[in-house]
Amino acid sequence: AQSVTQLGSHVSVSEGALVLLRCNYSSSVPPYLFWYVQYPNQGLQLLLKYTTGATLVKGINGFEAEFKKSETSFHLTKPSAHMSDAAEYFCAVTGPSGTYKYIFGTGTRLKVLA
Amino acid sequence: GAVVSQHPSRVICKSGTSVKIECRSLDFQATTMFWYRQFPKQSLMLMATSNEGSKATYEQGVEKDKFLINHASLTLSTLTVTSAHPEDSSFYICSASGQTGYEQYFGPGTRLTVT
Repeated sequence: AQSVTQLGSHVSVSEGALVLLRCNYSSSVPPYLFWYVQYPNQGLQLLLKYTTGATLVKGINGFEAEFKKSETSFHLTKPSAHMSDAAEYFCAVTGPSGTYKYIFGTGTRLKVLA
Repeated sequence: GAVVSQHPSRVICKSGTSVKIECRSLDFQATTMFWYRQFPKQSLMLMATSNEGSKATYEQGVEKDKFLINHASLTLSTLTVTSAHPEDSSFYICSASGQTGYEQYFGPGTRLTVT
């Protein structure tokens, strides 16, 4: 069985500060991990993904995440927050288990303070 | 590449009527499509998974007779909400996966309001 935990339903950072959004997973198969961003009344936009290979993954808009198997984590970071980063962020896990159903975390709402 | 569209983006219907939402993969063949429901300020809840030409597989607790899913071709899946009621009001999002199998591409969502 797979599950995802996103610690912190709301995170506030000052503009220019480090963004850290936490994601921990459990999976009985090698995990494929994703981070998505959602703006109000819109669908999901892929920020980055990890499947195999390099554990530090760079994505769009300056975001990156590191897959740490020993910690079962895939935290999302950005060195310097921008006002446009304010949105809802979802971590998701899937794996080679047939239908590749995604299991989503509960989401983290990022607020960027001026 | 890998663009998924949904139509309509917003729909308002009266209680008791049915409404159809279309999900199209515009530039790839979608072997599998997924339908999600999202309540305000909540995560996505998978409703069903469909493969082209096969019956959809519904998640536990989702009424298959209320949420009819048709995946008639490799580029089109439809979700029909039958006899809609106000509690069916929600944001519905579809996704599609192609050759890689594991990666889903998401549509922009459909806001359904039942009055």
